[in-house]
Order: sequence, then C-alpha cells, then structure tokens
Amino acid sequence: EAEVAQSPRYKITEKSQAVAFWCDPISGHATLYWYRQILGQGPELLVQFQDESVVDDSQLPKDRFSAERLKGVDSTLKIQPAELGDSAMYLCASSFGGLETQYFGPGTRLLVL
Amino acid sequence: DQQVKQNSPSLSVQEGRISILNCDYTNSMFDYFLWYKKYPAEGPTFLISISSIKDKNEDGRFTVFLNKSAKHLSLHIVPSQPGDSAVYFCAALTSGTYKYIFGTGTRLKVLA
Repeated sequence: EAEVAQSPRYKITEKSQAVAFWCDPISGHATLYWYRQILGQGPELLVQFQDESVVDDSQLPKDRFSAERLKGVDSTLKIQPAELGDSAMYLCASSFGGLETQYFGPGTRLLVL
Repeated sequence: DQQVKQNSPSLSVQEGRISILNCDYTNSMFDYFLWYKKYPAEGPTFLISISSIKDKNEDGRFTVFLNKSAKHLSLHIVPSQPGDSAVYFCAALTSGTYKYIFGTGTRLKVLA
C-alpha cells in the first residue's frame, strides 16, 4: 500500500539553528499539506500545495518558516531560526484534492533546546 | 477561536461495549466532517466521513452521526476492541476551501 514518506522521524536542534523536513507524497497526489501538531492539540495547517503552487499559507510564520514543492512532487519545510516554541510534531499529508481523503505520513518530531 | 471542539480529552470503555466520542463545531459553513485515528508515533489515519446532506454514515463497527441543528457529531464504535485504543480527532471543512480544521482529540482506552 502506498504511503506518505517523511524524514527525519526525529530531530533535536538548538534554538537559532536551521532545520529542514522532507515529505514524499503518495504518487499521483496533487495536493500536499504540512501540519504542525503541538502536544495535546489537533493538527494545524501550515501550508497547502496544489501541484507546485501554494494554495494556503495563511498560518505559516513566514518570518522563519518556508516551504517549497518545486516539481510538484516532494516537498521541504524549513525553519530558520528555530525557536523553543517550534517543538512539535510536523505532519505531511497528501490527497488527490477536493474531498478526497488525506493520507498522513508518520511525522517528524522536532525538539528545540 | 476553536471552531472544532472535542470536550472530552479522554474516555475509558470496557471491551465489547460501545464507545461514543463527541465533537462540536461552531462554523455553520462546514459541510463535510471526518474522523481520524492516531496511534503513538504514527500519523493520523482516516476512519470515516460524513457529508452534511446525511445524518448518519456507517462502516463496519464505526458509525458517525451528524446533528446539524446542534452543530454536533459523534462517532460510535460497537463493539469496542483493545486495538481501538488511540487518539481520535474529528475534522471539519467547507467545500471549496478544503481546509481541514481539527479538534483537539479524545484519547480512547478500551479495557480488556
């Protein structure tokens, strides 16, 4: 069964450092999402791509976060510089779009010290 | 402003009994609702969904009920099994934006 791949699974970094997360969606899925999930809360959308274009990045802290999906396939989410409050699970999901089911990857757990 | 609320952070149920997980929403524009299940160290997995044109959708042991007038949905699991122990998230969206708004989750523990 096809899955959404994410790496790394875990990342520990010091504040002010740069971190990057990678996501490879299910083949054929045009829509890709990055979510942040803080412990005890539900996933919160950071950015949504349709192919290589950003559809929604209204909740993305653009002063320190950036995301790209250059060829409309895999995607990278970057944080520079990382802050203590960025410690969370970063989830990637993909779908065919519209009301089609979103499939989530296993996530990257980030700890900023 | 929490548009989707799951007011019970945890729930314990005996194996074989019914589990009922609740979710309330405030935005009347939401017209599609989903439940996801999440095990530790894994991403959420889709469980069941319901459109606002329906008031019930069933899939095996899982049934979702939607009460639009009360802006309330619930997930029933019958019979509950130990493998159902997980965190359950409800999510809502508006057709057209397709932006999922998730609740805070309910941790279900099914006791053997």
